[in-house]
Amino acid sequence: QQQVKQSPQSLIVQKGGISIINCAYENTAFDYFPWYQQFPGKGPALLIAIRPDVSEKKEGRFTISFNKSAKQFSLHIMDSQPGDSATYFCAASRNTNAGKSTFGDGTTLTVKP
Amino acid sequence: DTAVSQTPKYLVTQMGNDKSIKCEQNLGHDTMYWYKQDSKKFLKIMFSYNNKELIINETVPNRFSPKSPDKAHLNLHINSLELGDSAVYFCASSPSQGAYGYTFGSGTRLTVV
Repeated sequence: QQQVKQSPQSLIVQKGGISIINCAYENTAFDYFPWYQQFPGKGPALLIAIRPDVSEKKEGRFTISFNKSAKQFSLHIMDSQPGDSATYFCAASRNTNAGKSTFGDGTTLTVKP
Repeated sequence: DTAVSQTPKYLVTQMGNDKSIKCEQNLGHDTMYWYKQDSKKFLKIMFSYNNKELIINETVPNRFSPKSPDKAHLNLHINSLELGDSAVYFCASSPSQGAYGYTFGSGTRLTVV
């Protein structure tokens, strides 16, 4: 049973465009939703995260939109740059489960110059 | 000064051998994890320790044995290596066992031949 479903699997965006990656979760007990960015040969790095008491969080060009009733959250990358080309993972965890994060399957983003 | 460091970065070994991967974090975090990333980049939790105590033990073959001598170190020993063990193994840490973001190491690429 996959608890966090991520889409699309891959995404190609022109420089300056908006990249949007979506995730859906099943377990309503999840209460922390981070996004990670992974470059080849590196470990995932925490990019931005949200808790379910807010519907949106913005940090620079990165925004998380959160829809609790639909059990969905998404990452928006504004003014996408070639340097944003990486694999992005959404994840979900709950405070009562030892901090265990369940990850989506990842989205490979390519930003064309 | 690397926050979460893993050694070795690459490990090539023959089937049937025993090998260890070491991880150290200097963030003062209480909780550490081992994640496995397969060839399709799926991230799956293996183990978690909180202040030297094992708190998560997913369905992992008994050939894998984690050890945490103190809360800053988490090692992974693998016995009788098999071809299917080939993957990238990531160590990660978080402030505590609640729902927080992870800081990942740069990974150990294990290739079993």
